[in-house]
Amino acid sequence: DAGVIQSPRHEVTEMGQEVTLRCKPISGHDYLFWYRQTMMRGLELLIYFNNNVPIDDSGMPEDRFSAKMPNASFSTLKIQPSEPRDSAVYFCASSPQRYTGELFFGEGSRLTVL
Amino acid sequence: SQQGEEDPQALSIQEGENATMNCSYKTSINNLQWYRQNSGRGLVHLILIRSNEREKHSGRLRVTLDTSKKSSSLLITASRAADTASYFCATDRPGGTSYGKLTFGQGTILTVHP
Repeated sequence: DAGVIQSPRHEVTEMGQEVTLRCKPISGHDYLFWYRQTMMRGLELLIYFNNNVPIDDSGMPEDRFSAKMPNASFSTLKIQPSEPRDSAVYFCASSPQRYTGELFFGEGSRLTVL
Repeated sequence: SQQGEEDPQALSIQEGENATMNCSYKTSINNLQWYRQNSGRGLVHLILIRSNEREKHSGRLRVTLDTSKKSSSLLITASRAADTASYFCATDRPGGTSYGKLTFGQGTILTVHP
């Protein structure tokens, strides 16, 4: 299995630019999660999907953030416009339908907004 | 609000010694999990203990859970340099809408010196 695949691994952009992060979950996993990790706030859950449907987006910081899951094998997290305080590592994780409790994380996308 | 909090924040030991990390949480839980994160990588699931379990073993890992004290400990026996990483506890709350909504602690940075 290839595991959860995220791209890009590193992104450096200027304030005001649009950023799109991508995730391919493990095949057969019906839950997909987006987390953000910073030194100050640790790991925060932003949003999660079940069967491509957003279930809980209460962690999305503000309207500049949006996430979509157009099909079972692809999700995007978009920030528009980006700000320096959005600099963080963004992780995607997936989990199978039958609840095992374990999340499978990607390697993360490190975002730097100048 | 922070659900899981690890103690100590950093731990430095020699190869072959045991490492013990603690986690405290605030609300009732469904289960508690431990994850490891190597520098610059994604999180990897280590072990899950359910709220009705008191102790669990996996290889060199031993996890205990005391729900009356709302605390858990992770013991790594006979540590190796390769165990150097950050270790996070994560909890989820009972209830269907809370599925997969893991709340992570700030982590313990473990350094094992060869």
